[in-house]
Amino acid sequence: GQNIDQPTEMTATEGAIVQINCTYQTSGFNGLFWYQQHAGEAPTFLSYNVLDGLEEKGRFSSFLSRSKGYSYLLLKELQMKDSASYLCAAMGGATNKLIFGTGTLLAVQP
Amino acid sequence: DTAVSQTPKYLVTQMGNDKSIKCEQNLGHDTMYWYKQDSKKFLKIMFSYNNKELIINETVPNRFSPKSPDKAHLNLHINSLELGDSAVYFCASSLTSPSYEQYFGPGTRLTVT
Repeated sequence: GQNIDQPTEMTATEGAIVQINCTYQTSGFNGLFWYQQHAGEAPTFLSYNVLDGLEEKGRFSSFLSRSKGYSYLLLKELQMKDSASYLCAAMGGATNKLIFGTGTLLAVQP
Repeated sequence: DTAVSQTPKYLVTQMGNDKSIKCEQNLGHDTMYWYKQDSKKFLKIMFSYNNKELIINETVPNRFSPKSPDKAHLNLHINSLELGDSAVYFCASSLTSPSYEQYFGPGTRLTVT
């Protein structure tokens, strides 16, 4: 089957670092995506990992371990505007569809 | 310059009615998608078209019928609307390769009363 697990909510302080974890199970795995979604808005792309390791992009980094079915999104120097839902999504199956987790609602506090 | 646009943004209608949502992308992508995001914010794929051909058709009631007149457009028609159809419907597009991110439209908030 296909399954994505991530924490429902997290809270962090402005200027701090936060790590959002995601575990996944999918057949024909073809990559792991992270999207950001602010309330009432569309999801926007943050990162894509298909090989093991860390991909860094400014304040955001994403890590993948294919053998463990595990990924995390690391947000550094948190800003108030980073308060949003972070969606983990695994691509797989015969049609390469994206299976989304329920999202992690991150609240950044002053 | 709108990349993926959807109309209407809000749709309030009564049970039993038929409604359509339109989607257009000007990114030159060849794959388009419809997603449903329910009240718990769970985003689920419904359909995907590649070059006007249906490639993903999840277990969606056949009251939902997608139509792709060309690569840049993907519309969603819903017959006999039910209360449970209330959700936000997102259109998205991408290039074909799995590594390409999907660009989402602003969403259509459908409320069935």
